[in-house]
Amino acid sequence: AQSVTQPDIHITVSEGASLELRCNYSYGATPYLFWYVQSPGQGLQLLLKYFSGDTLVQGIKGFEAEFKRSQSSFNLRKPSVHWSDAAEYFCAVRTNFGNEKLTFGTGTRLTIIP
Amino acid sequence: ETGVTQSPTHLIKTRGQQVTLRCSSQSGHNTVSWYQQALGQGPQFIFQYYREEENGRGNFPPRFSGLQFPNYSSELNVNALELDDSALYLCASSQTGTSGRGNEQFFGPGTRLTVL
Repeated sequence: AQSVTQPDIHITVSEGASLELRCNYSYGATPYLFWYVQSPGQGLQLLLKYFSGDTLVQGIKGFEAEFKRSQSSFNLRKPSVHWSDAAEYFCAVRTNFGNEKLTFGTGTRLTIIP
Repeated sequence: ETGVTQSPTHLIKTRGQQVTLRCSSQSGHNTVSWYQQALGQGPQFIFQYYREEENGRGNFPPRFSGLQFPNYSSELNVNALELDDSALYLCASSQTGTSGRGNEQFFGPGTRLTVL
């Protein structure tokens, strides 16, 4: 069964600083990979996804992520964070066959300081 | 284009009661998935419905059941509520093609269930 690990429970960065959120997955083949963002009391919004092809994917709000097969990683990056980026970030994996069950990590809470 | 909607927004129940949560899928979507998100955790897959039939189930007991209607909206029913059922319940819709392979899931805002 697939699994997702987000090693950082909470990250604090200064506004304008760069950001990298880590995500490692466990799956026998290349899965579909996603990053979602959740603001307090809200549902999940898709930031970006990787299905195949170019391993560097661009998403909304200036985010990007890089799929590294050799490291089983799909880290999320942003060159300069804004105060509005403060939220919970979830990495998720889905197999490329069968139903569309998403397996999520436990999330990383991002705090932005002025 | 209307997004995924869920009702009610909040709900308070007591142990042993039953609850029904509702979800309207995004226009054009034929697949609905339900997730449970406990406080401080990532969402956990409960089950998925496609063409009005259950199409995959996570590690949840049978007292969690669901329905999908011809208009692709869905219900999640939970019987004999327990304190640990307190969580945010998220519904997600997607469009599964004729090959059976789907696409990204779009999430609703969730229903916050509190069991006392």
